[in-house]
Amino acid sequence: GAGVSQTPSNKVTEKGKYVELRCDPISGHTALYWYRQSLGQGPEFLIYFQGTGAADDSGLPNDRFFAVRPEGSVSTLKIQRTERGDSAVYLCASSPGRDQRGYGYTFGSGTRLTV
Amino acid sequence: KQEVTQIPAALSVPEGENLVLNCSFTDSAIYNLQWFRQDPGKGLTSLLLIQSSQREQTSGRLNASLDKSSGRSTLYIAASQPGDSATYLCAVKGTGNQFYFGTGTSLTVIP
Repeated sequence: GAGVSQTPSNKVTEKGKYVELRCDPISGHTALYWYRQSLGQGPEFLIYFQGTGAADDSGLPNDRFFAVRPEGSVSTLKIQRTERGDSAVYLCASSPGRDQRGYGYTFGSGTRLTV
Repeated sequence: KQEVTQIPAALSVPEGENLVLNCSFTDSAIYNLQWFRQDPGKGLTSLLLIQSSQREQTSGRLNASLDKSSGRSTLYIAASQPGDSATYLCAVKGTGNQFYFGTGTSLTVIP
């Protein structure tokens, strides 16, 4: 697509429920990132995919968070047993190329999660 | 870990003024730096990307400079307009896989 698409734009859930957030990156972009932004803060890194594999998941806060990208395009961020502290805007970004050093990001509009 | 600081946290200026937003980072071993704009409740829009080998980048009324050795970048906005009101975020990419973000400068341009 022309840009990075995230769905839903807003998600309200109850404590303890399971949620899935979807990201559709720019066509052809091999790198995909998930970030989380709390109110008044800058985005914080969660996970980075290069192709289908999670190249770096060091930012995932705990094992309730998991992300997949099975075909190397669309990615889904999954949160189990949601807690109130998970409330934030979840941002997805994509970037071309395998060597990430020289590239910037293109972000989606984000999913606002309210628990 | 890279730490990114943006000063000021908030800025209010009358329309037409030129202004400078500041970004500093602790680890000068970076590959690039990117400035973003974020409108309330929205995602991030990329404004300028500066590679570590570059000193500045320009786009329209925006000019971003980079002094890697001192760990600083500035975003200069000329002839500010009410439509420039937004939060401006600075992000730095080092040797790892992620960008490190500052907490942003909230800009209000008063008509």
